[in-house]
Amino acid sequence: GQNIDQPTEMTATEGAIVQINCTYQTSGFNGLFWYQQHAGEAPTFLSYNVLDGLEEKGRFSSFLSRSKGYSYLLLKELQMKDSASYLCAVMDSNYQLIWGAGTKLIIKP
Amino acid sequence: GAVVSQHPSWVICKSGTSVKIECRSLDFQATTMFWYRQFPKQSLMLMATSNEGSKATYEQGVEKDKFLINHASLTLSTLTVTSAHPEDSSFYICSARAGTDTEAFFGQGTRLTVV
Repeated sequence: GQNIDQPTEMTATEGAIVQINCTYQTSGFNGLFWYQQHAGEAPTFLSYNVLDGLEEKGRFSSFLSRSKGYSYLLLKELQMKDSASYLCAVMDSNYQLIWGAGTKLIIKP
Repeated sequence: GAVVSQHPSWVICKSGTSVKIECRSLDFQATTMFWYRQFPKQSLMLMATSNEGSKATYEQGVEKDKFLINHASLTLSTLTVTSAHPEDSSFYICSARAGTDTEAFFGQGTRLTVV
């Protein structure tokens, strides 16, 4: 079966760095997405990785290793507004998105 | 990024009535639209996938006669919750993408409360 695993919840301190991991087992691979979702709102796109390596975009970076079925989202200089759920999603061979359950990130002052 | 507009943002309806939710891609042609349901503190649950001009593909356990999906054009898909009941109260979110290998953009979501 297809499976996306990510931690349920993480806590970090304002100004610090946090890494949210995502491992996946899917039927084929056509890219991995990270989305941010604040409570009561729809998800917003953060990043897309289809090749191995690190993609940096401001305070957020995303890494992919296809051979390991592994990705992480790195958030630097954490701000209180970064408190949200972070969703990992993989596009399979049928170009369907398989979603992880999301990681709730709690930022403390 | 591209804009997907979902309407209404919230709706309260009486049990037994039907509610229609619209999802529009404003600046791109959406070949595929997805409808999700999200209960409080839970992850997105895909309900159905619709391609323009064809019947929607429903996920297992989703009643297609209760959740009617129409994707009549490349910019509009609608979800109609028929004979709504309190257990249908949820956050419904649509997303749209232009091609098979592109990201999906989300609408703002619709909070449905059935009383």
